[in-house]
Amino acid sequence: DQQVKQNSPSLSVQEGRISILNCDYTNSMFDYFLWYKKYPAEGPTFLISISSIKDKNEDGRFTVFLNKSAKHLSLHIVPSQPGDSAVYFCAASYNDMRFGAGTRLTVKP
Amino acid sequence: DSGVTQTPKHLITATGQRVTLRCSPRSGDLSVYWYQQSLDQGLQFLIQYYNGEERAKGNILERFSAQQFPDLHSELNLSSLELGDSALYFCASSLGMASGNNEQFFGPGTRLTVL
Repeated sequence: DQQVKQNSPSLSVQEGRISILNCDYTNSMFDYFLWYKKYPAEGPTFLISISSIKDKNEDGRFTVFLNKSAKHLSLHIVPSQPGDSAVYFCAASYNDMRFGAGTRLTVKP
Repeated sequence: DSGVTQTPKHLITATGQRVTLRCSPRSGDLSVYWYQQSLDQGLQFLIQYYNGEERAKGNILERFSAQQFPDLHSELNLSSLELGDSALYFCASSLGMASGNNEQFFGPGTRLTVL
């Protein structure tokens, strides 16, 4: 039951450039979308979220875009820093929360 | 440190056995969630409890059960273990009932290995 999909298992970018992580979903009932970041040997930590009534939410270097007609959201990190290297999970919720498989971001100095 | 604690950190057991994973939520949080992360898989939602009552159920096998106690800590019981149950099990907590805009705080996880 893959209601939330992250089709890129990994992404590598140069420090200072933009990182774009993508996420697609199938359930139009989802009303809240979140991004979590996970370092090795730790649990995921909340990064940024967006309600379905918005199409953009910004927090410092992190911006999430939501395209409801395409059932697509993306996370932009500008500028990318080596400390951003982690696994990023996209999540969507309605009655419960569904997570994607994650994208491993590597930011090279 | 998220404030959510999970014990044990690692668990190695044999097929057919039964284990109990324990989670203490952040102080003040009433909801507890359990997730399973298998190798190269995303986080699979298992079950949510809110203030002692089951609130939502995901892809939880019948061999698995959970409960939330009056002090709000939760336990996930896994029985008749199979090799495929080897995974990271995360507990998360949040203040409110709905998973929507309630930020969930995750524990460090319990790594279960079934041999």
